[in-house]
Amino acid sequence: EVQLVESGGGLVQPGGSLRLSCAASGFSFSDHYMDWVRQAPGKGLEWVGRSRNKANSYTTEYAASVKGRFTISRDDSKNSLYLQMDSLKTEDTAVYYCARVGRGYYYDYWGQGTLVTVSS
Amino acid sequence: DIQMTQSPSSLSASVGDRVTITCRASQGISNNLAWFQQKPGKAPKSLIYAASSLQSGVPSKFSGSGSGTDFTLTISSLQPEDFATYYCQQYKSYPLTFGGGTKVEIK
Repeated sequence: EVQLVESGGGLVQPGGSLRLSCAASGFSFSDHYMDWVRQAPGKGLEWVGRSRNKANSYTTEYAASVKGRFTISRDDSKNSLYLQMDSLKTEDTAVYYCARVGRGYYYDYWGQGTLVTVSS
Repeated sequence: DIQMTQSPSSLSASVGDRVTITCRASQGISNNLAWFQQKPGKAPKSLIYAASSLQSGVPSKFSGSGSGTDFTLTISSLQPEDFATYYCQQYKSYPLTFGGGTKVEIK
């Protein structure tokens, strides 16, 4: 059974940093691209970024709103995806989800999400 | 960026109704479109990919159609468990973008 479990959320002050993790199980993590998607309270879904797999040199893509502040990485030996968030702003407050990217570049599984609150 | 516009933003329907939600892309995306269902306080659930293909385990009352810029999600006979918010997403090009959502409520 595919499982994605996010962790690391919490309360952080503006300008601070936080690192989210997504622990994957039930599939060959190293074969898959993985994404982060967020949802501000009461709002819609927003794509944050992507980590490609080893076959594609672990390259990454980011939304303009987080580029230069957020960094996506992965550790295939630990079946884990990470989101390092620096220079956090109040508008980064959201539930952050990791999602598995299927063979056809669509999402097939989502984690349960972790809440990040940026507030003084 | 490709803008995704969903309509309506909300609708009220009764159990047993046929419901159709539309999604329009600001430029052609071929069939690189997915639909998701989200219930309050829960993670999104993947329903449809490649515009019309059902994810494994998704009941056949859900169907998708379209190509290019215009897409639809249809629920053939609305059941109580289908009341939720539905989102479309294009995955043709970066940045990936979502529609604003359609909230399906009980009439």
